[in-house]
Amino acid sequence: GAGVSQTPSNKVTEKGKYVELRCDPISGHTALYWYRQSLGQGPEFLIYFQGTGAADDSGLPNDRFFAVRPEGSVSTLKIQRTERGDSAVYLCASSLAPGQHTEAFFGQGTRLTVV
Amino acid sequence: AQRVTQPEKLLSVFKGAPVELKCNYSYSGSPELFWYVQYSRQRLQLLLRHISRESIKGFTADLNKGETSFHLKKPFAQEEDSAMYYCALKAATNKLIFGTGTLLAVQP
Repeated sequence: GAGVSQTPSNKVTEKGKYVELRCDPISGHTALYWYRQSLGQGPEFLIYFQGTGAADDSGLPNDRFFAVRPEGSVSTLKIQRTERGDSAVYLCASSLAPGQHTEAFFGQGTRLTVV
Repeated sequence: AQRVTQPEKLLSVFKGAPVELKCNYSYSGSPELFWYVQYSRQRLQLLLRHISRESIKGFTADLNKGETSFHLKKPFAQEEDSAMYYCALKAATNKLIFGTGTLLAVQP
């Protein structure tokens, strides 16, 4: 693939519903990150995977948010009981194993709107 | 606390004018800093990083540890430089901490 791919590009859901956002990283990239970008803000870190395991999930705002990467490639961000405040662009990034010269490549994002 | 501050939401300049996008950081360790750019309808992409000490598209940024700054500069702005610019700090576990961004508008 040409780059990090995120699906869907747009998602509208009703308050209280469950949503899943998918990220396909660049092939061979072992590190994967999720960020959330609210209107007028910079991207805010949510979770970082190294391989299959979550190396840092300190950015997840509460237990309604969960992410998995079962085979060390594709990742899914899951949000339960969505709230209007969850509306944002959710960004995924991937990189080679972290190092001093490692560059993170971003996807185009999924715009989530909770109505 | 780990923080990145970009004080300007919008910077408007005329083509050919010098540009300086300000970035200040707060970090207790040895910082690794980046500038990311997002052109209209495109994804976020890396512009430059301080460890490379490179010039990309005419932009440079110098890390000033005394002033805890990493300002982005270009001597002569071009219309195609119009974009959203984010300063970012790499923290422990390799996560990036972003500023709120500065929209650069280069007028013809």
